[in-house]
Amino acid sequence: DAGVIQSPRHEVTEMGQEVTLRCKPISGHNSLFWYRQTMMRGLELLIYFNNNVPIDDSGMPEDRFSAKMPNASFSTLKIQPSEPRDSAVYFCASTMTSGPYNEQFFGPGTRLTVL
Amino acid sequence: AQSVTQLGSHVSVSEGALVLLRCNYSSSVPPYLFWYVQYPNQGLQLLLKYTSAATLVKGINGFEAEFKKSETSFHLTKPSAHMSDAAEYFCAVSETSGTYKYIFGTGTRLKVLA
Repeated sequence: DAGVIQSPRHEVTEMGQEVTLRCKPISGHNSLFWYRQTMMRGLELLIYFNNNVPIDDSGMPEDRFSAKMPNASFSTLKIQPSEPRDSAVYFCASTMTSGPYNEQFFGPGTRLTVL
Repeated sequence: AQSVTQLGSHVSVSEGALVLLRCNYSSSVPPYLFWYVQYPNQGLQLLLKYTSAATLVKGINGFEAEFKKSETSFHLTKPSAHMSDAAEYFCAVSETSGTYKYIFGTGTRLKVLA
C-alpha cells in the first residue's frame, strides 16, 4: 500500500488566495483526520470524518476553512481567503475505526506558506 | 477530559546512552496510549501503543514503554541511543468513545550527541 498520500507537498501562496490541500487515505480505512502543526500550537485536530461524513469540526479555526470528503478515497481542505497566520504543516491521517486502539496513519504533510 | 503532558520539550543524550522521554496522562477510564515519532520533514509514524494487553510494550527501532497506572505514566525508553533516533516524539491518548480521536502531547525533540 502506498500509505496516505497528500498533495501538494509544498505550497506557497499570497495572502487572499484560495488554497486547496488534497488527501488520499489508505484504501479500506473509513476515518480521516486533518491536523495542523505549528511551532506555537503543536498538533491540532481540525476535522474528523467517519464514512465520509464530518463528525467533529470543532477544531476548524474559522469560516475561512472548509473540508470535504466526497468519497472514501479523497478529501480536501480548503482555505479561502488565506492569511499569513495559516502558514503551517497540514497533515492528513486515516484509520479503520473499529475501536480506540487503532493506529492512525499519517501522510507526509503539506507545508503551506502564505506570504 | 483526557489530556497528555510531555515533560521536557528538548532532550539531549549522548550516543549509546539511555533515552527516557516522559509522558503523563489524565484519563478517567483505562486509556489507550500511543507514541509517535516524527523525523524532519516527514509525517508521524507509530512507535508503539498500549491497549491494556501488557504493561510493557515493545515497539520499533528498539523503543519500549511501560504503562504505570499508579503514576499515570507511559514513559518511552531505549537502552542505547543512536544518531538516527534524533527526531520529535509525540505521546497521544485516544478517546475511548465517540470519535476515538487522539489528544497529542506537545512533543519532545530528541537530540543525540556524538
